[in-house]
Amino acid sequence: KAGVTQTPRYLIKTRGQQVTLSCSPISGHRSVSWYQQTPGQGLQFLFEYFSETQRNKGNFPGRFSGRQFSNSRSEMNVSTLELGDSALYLCASSDAGLETQYFGPGTRLLVL
Amino acid sequence: GENVEQHPSTLSVQEGDSAVIKCTYSDSASNYFPWYKQELGKRPQLIIDIRSNVGEKKDQRIAVTLNKTAKHFSLHITETQPEDSAVYFCAARRNSGYALNFGKGTSLLVTP
Repeated sequence: KAGVTQTPRYLIKTRGQQVTLSCSPISGHRSVSWYQQTPGQGLQFLFEYFSETQRNKGNFPGRFSGRQFSNSRSEMNVSTLELGDSALYLCASSDAGLETQYFGPGTRLLVL
Repeated sequence: GENVEQHPSTLSVQEGDSAVIKCTYSDSASNYFPWYKQELGKRPQLIIDIRSNVGEKKDQRIAVTLNKTAKHFSLHITETQPEDSAVYFCAARRNSGYALNFGKGTSLLVTP
């Protein structure tokens, strides 16, 4: 099976703009989780979607949102970008009933 | 919510020596503890995991131990090799769904 894919891989935005990132899970996986990775904070959980429903959310402001489509692909959106949003955004997918999370290559976002 | 602490943040060993990384978690309901290895510029890769009904698990040179009473788990790498150099993350499954709370990572350097 193909692995988790994320698009775009790199993105440069300016403060105040918004951005949408996309994640395609491994075929058959219904759970998609999103994480923000920064040098100082490590991997921080954003939210998890399962069968189009958000079932878990981390401690991030409302500017961070997401959704999942019927084919399990997921998007996350960040509005009113801040410099501190510069990070690697990783998504991971899991098969129902199995706990292992498989990560995508990430989208590196730079906010200027 | 779940808090995972990881030590040390950096670790340098000579090739052939052993390396040990320790993590503690706060939520006694956590039941799944994976370890990920992340090489520079790459996605995190699962290297080993353990469930709360098991005290120890081994896979070739890698082993993980879990002490549920003390709420800590450790990664042991024996006969280290230069290719083991990477950042290692411990994690604990959150209280619902498949998403994980991660430690802040240990940068392991194995010198020849």
